[in-house]
Amino acid sequence: DTGVSQDPRHKITKRGQNVTFRCDPISEHNRLYWYRQTLGQGPEFLTYFQNEAQLEKSRLLSDRFSAERPKGSFSTLEIQRTEQGDSAMYLCASSLKRGAFSTDTQYFGPGTRLTVL
Amino acid sequence: QKEVEQDPGPLSVPEGAIVSLNCTYSNSAFQYFMWYRQYSRKGPELLMYTYSSGNKEDGRFTAQVDKSSKYISLFIRDSQPSDSATYLCAMELAGNQFYFGTGTSLTVIP
Repeated sequence: DTGVSQDPRHKITKRGQNVTFRCDPISEHNRLYWYRQTLGQGPEFLTYFQNEAQLEKSRLLSDRFSAERPKGSFSTLEIQRTEQGDSAMYLCASSLKRGAFSTDTQYFGPGTRLTVL
Repeated sequence: QKEVEQDPGPLSVPEGAIVSLNCTYSNSAFQYFMWYRQYSRKGPELLMYTYSSGNKEDGRFTAQVDKSSKYISLFIRDSQPSDSATYLCAMELAGNQFYFGTGTSLTVIP
């Protein structure tokens, strides 16, 4: 399967613990996005990378959240000192952005469902 | 006011019906418009994307964009039980951020 993969699929943690999620994009894609989705809502943008550079972060992304894409391939999203409000589905998407005016069709992974107890 | 408004439903139709799903938006700078399908506990799957006003057809699906009214639609013909899912509209500002609707939950009854 050459789609976007995410690991783990499910994570249950206690409040105050740190968690880290991994995303492996489609291999030739240069952009990688992280979203958060809660029940009954659409995905909310968190941050995105073009190759290894993190180009934009949402105001939703507090200091407890950090994302990396060190070699421009896979990415990790870490949440420190988790809170119950962090419980959500964390989605990763990748795309191939060819030029400034080309569309940025995003392909999503299956998501990591985080439950903070 | 949200950037993208979408009626959450739920919408329930009999098999074979034509389904109409809609979103409105407030930002005239949106350039690309997409529809995603999301099954329960799965990631969204791209169905269609469009750029200009007008219709785009792909099999049983037709996407319609009316930029003057800031309104987009997805029509599903001959709906099937396998179409039961949440349908998300999404819009892209030039180059960067995507904005998603809340999704419309659709059930097609056999």
